[in-house]
Formats: sequence, C-alpha cells, structure tokens
Amino acid sequence: EDQVTQSPEALRLQEGESSSLNCSYTVSGLRGLFWYRQDPGKGPEFLFTLYSAGEEKEKERLKATLTKKESFLHITAPKPEDSATYLCAVSSRKDSGYALNFGKGTSLLVTP
Amino acid sequence: GAVVSQHPSWVICKSGTSVKIECRSLDFQATTMFWYRQFPKQSLMLMATSNEGSKATYEQGVEKDKFLINHASLTLSTLTVTSAHPEDSSFYICSARDRRGKETQYFGPGTRLLVL
Repeated sequence: EDQVTQSPEALRLQEGESSSLNCSYTVSGLRGLFWYRQDPGKGPEFLFTLYSAGEEKEKERLKATLTKKESFLHITAPKPEDSATYLCAVSSRKDSGYALNFGKGTSLLVTP
Repeated sequence: GAVVSQHPSWVICKSGTSVKIECRSLDFQATTMFWYRQFPKQSLMLMATSNEGSKATYEQGVEKDKFLINHASLTLSTLTVTSAHPEDSSFYICSARDRRGKETQYFGPGTRLLVL
C-alpha cells in the first residue's frame, strides 16, 4: 500500500534559520511527488512537482529535491510569511484512476 | 494560471437541508476533478473523483447518496450534501487536473460547512 510520511510534525524556526522538511514515501510506480503549502482555512497552494530521482526545483526560498525513497523541502533564510503547513503527496493508483495520497503535513512557524 | 474557484466559501445551514458547492477551473479545462474533506489539524481525505461526462467514483466509506457529485462540463463540478447533519460539518476542498496531461492537481480555496 502506498504511504507518505512527513517529518517533523511541527517545526519552529527563527527568521533566517535554514532547515529542511522530510517526506518519505513508498509507492508502486511513482507518477509524481507533489509539495503544497496550506495556510489556515485555505486550500492547498501548489509549489512543486517532481517526477524522477535526482530532480530538483526551486522557487524563491524553497528548493525541493527527490530521491528514490524521500523528498526534501529546503527552506533557506525563512521569513515569517513562510509560516504554513507544508503537505507532501504522491500520485497513487485508485479505482478511479490516479489520485493524490497526502502525508499529514509539517506545520512550520517562523518567528521574527 | 491554473486557478480553481469554489462557491460558496462558507455556509451555515439547518439540519436536514441540502447544500450545493460549486468548483470551477477558471483558466484551464479539467477532465478530472476531485473532492476532499479536511477535519481540523488533519490532512486531506479524498472523497471522490469525478470525470467529465461520467459518474463519480467514491472512496470507500463515502456515501454516494449523501454526497452527490456532478461534473457537467470541463470547467465545473458540483458537490451536493443532501439532508445535512451536524456530523457533515467540515472543510470541503475541490481540486482539478488539467486535461493537457500531467498529474498536478490545483486546489480551490475550500468551503467551510457548518450544520446546526
């Protein structure tokens, strides 16, 4: 069965203190690994899609990397506005086709 | 690009009434749309997958007669919560996948439902 495990559950950083969020996955036939950001009371906002091991993508202070077993979301010099829950998901086979299987998320708090 | 809207953003209704939630892809066509439910402090739980022009496929444990899904066009899907009860109160989020391929789903802003 496909599984997605995110760690840590919660992370508190000082502004400017770089760190990484982890997403470990097991899936039969990876069709994509996805990172989303979710603010309280809002829908997830798309960040990155990674398709194969070794792939990296960057956007502002965020960089996502992918290996055969896990993905990392690196946050460089975070700012308070980066505070949010970061969700990782893999595309899993369902009866209806392919759908996203989400981890429980990492809640990030960046303090000034 | 890749904007998905939902309407309404929040709704309060009495127990026993039905509530319809709309999900629209504004700048792309979506052959597949998804409906999720999210409880406080928890991740997204897939309820159903809807493909344009065909019946929705529901996940195990989701009552298809309670949660009616219609995907009438390439840009619109609706979720109707029939005879709503307090336990149906939740945050409902839709997503859409671009028909031009790739697996990425783009999410709407969500609808907060409170059943009294």
